[in-house]
Amino acid sequence: IAGITQAPTSQILAAGRRMTLRCTQDMRHNAMYWYRQDLGLGLRLIHYSNTAGTTGKGEVPDGYSVSRANTDDFPLTLASAVPSQTSVYFCASSPGPAHTGEQFFGPGTRLTVL
Amino acid sequence: GIQVEQSPPDLILQEGANSTLRCNFSDSVNNLQWFHQNPWGQLINLFYIPSGTKQNGRLSATTVATERYSLLYISSSQTTDSGVYFCAVVWNNDMRFGAGTRLTVKP
Repeated sequence: IAGITQAPTSQILAAGRRMTLRCTQDMRHNAMYWYRQDLGLGLRLIHYSNTAGTTGKGEVPDGYSVSRANTDDFPLTLASAVPSQTSVYFCASSPGPAHTGEQFFGPGTRLTVL
Repeated sequence: GIQVEQSPPDLILQEGANSTLRCNFSDSVNNLQWFHQNPWGQLINLFYIPSGTKQNGRLSATTVATERYSLLYISSSQTTDSGVYFCAVVWNNDMRFGAGTRLTVKP
């Protein structure tokens, strides 16, 4: 059982380019989340999904979009990347409705926007 | 918004020592978790503890929700305990993290 996988592991991206970070979970969890972690800080919620077909905004949603076509996948898209989006991005999931119960985290994607 | 404050910000211990990490939060919360981020950046769940006390080996945690704080106890610390410890609370449909406690355990 893999749990949560994220791809790519790391990426260097030119400003203005479009980028999609992938997240897949095999635990059949209902809720999924995207966070960013900036150097030396805790994580901040970008977007979340309560269940397939629904999404919601977190603390820092601007410049990002998400979709939840099925239970397992929750991609995060940067339509036009900017240097301030340089960060480590973590995907997470939880079994029940969003923001209830324990969250489990993927290994992260390190993104550098130049 | 809610404030989540962790103390101390940095802690250096000799292997075998015990420690207590604290998490204070400024409003009522639904959930609280403790995580360990290891030196490779991986986030490891330690406890899901909205209230009460839990123990797992050398680690234990207590949350007193009515007084808005949680404590993480590490006993007989080992070098592998090094890393950053985060508490995170669910507030207003958002999980908010503290800034973390950076723990260094020296052999």
